[in-house]
Amino acid sequence: GALVYQYPRRTICKSGTSMRMECQAVGFQATSVAWYRQSPQKTFELIALSTVNSAIKYEQNFTQEKFPISHPNLSFSSMTVLNAYLEDRGLYLCGATTGDERLFFGHGTKLSVL
Amino acid sequence: AQKVIQVWSTTSRQEGEKLTLDCSYKTSQVLYHLFWYKHLLSGEMVLLIRQMPSTIAIERSGRYSVVFQKSRKSISLVISTLQPDDSGKYFCALWEPNSAGNKLTFGIGTRVLVRP
Repeated sequence: GALVYQYPRRTICKSGTSMRMECQAVGFQATSVAWYRQSPQKTFELIALSTVNSAIKYEQNFTQEKFPISHPNLSFSSMTVLNAYLEDRGLYLCGATTGDERLFFGHGTKLSVL
Repeated sequence: AQKVIQVWSTTSRQEGEKLTLDCSYKTSQVLYHLFWYKHLLSGEMVLLIRQMPSTIAIERSGRYSVVFQKSRKSISLVISTLQPDDSGKYFCALWEPNSAGNKLTFGIGTRVLVRP
């Protein structure tokens, strides 16, 4: 079956520092990876969509300078939250797709910022 | 403006009852898909239903069904014979193709509590 491993599950970082989260697709080729954030009391917002061999498309309010993403092959993607502050806390979710419309999600990375 | 609207943020029912979760959406696309996900406390996002333009895929067998009213841009998730394990947060999501790739937009989610 298709699985997505996302790690770390939880992380705490000091304000102004950076943290990186990773997403591993198992059992399928992740041609596209979407990164979402769920801030407290909010729904999941799309940060960016990354497709192998294409430019990464960031949504409004999210930038590459703040959330750099790497998607080097069909099984791995990572995203870094640079200079994290209180407003960056939340649950970050990666979703990987083979190219059909289903997204297989990781368990999420819960980010707390002190 | 919200593209995916789930009116109820929280609801509770008794075990054994039937629950209908409403979702409406806005899109100008012709080829779009709709999804219902259940977000577990563990963080896992479980795909329940995938509604395509003219067919439906039940991704998780069980007591799930949908009422899809395309002309009204509405899709409701129906869970029959509720069990305590059905407690969780349910998200409706709209998938739209665009030039940058597939985009999935989530509703705000409805938290469901099933009382034994």
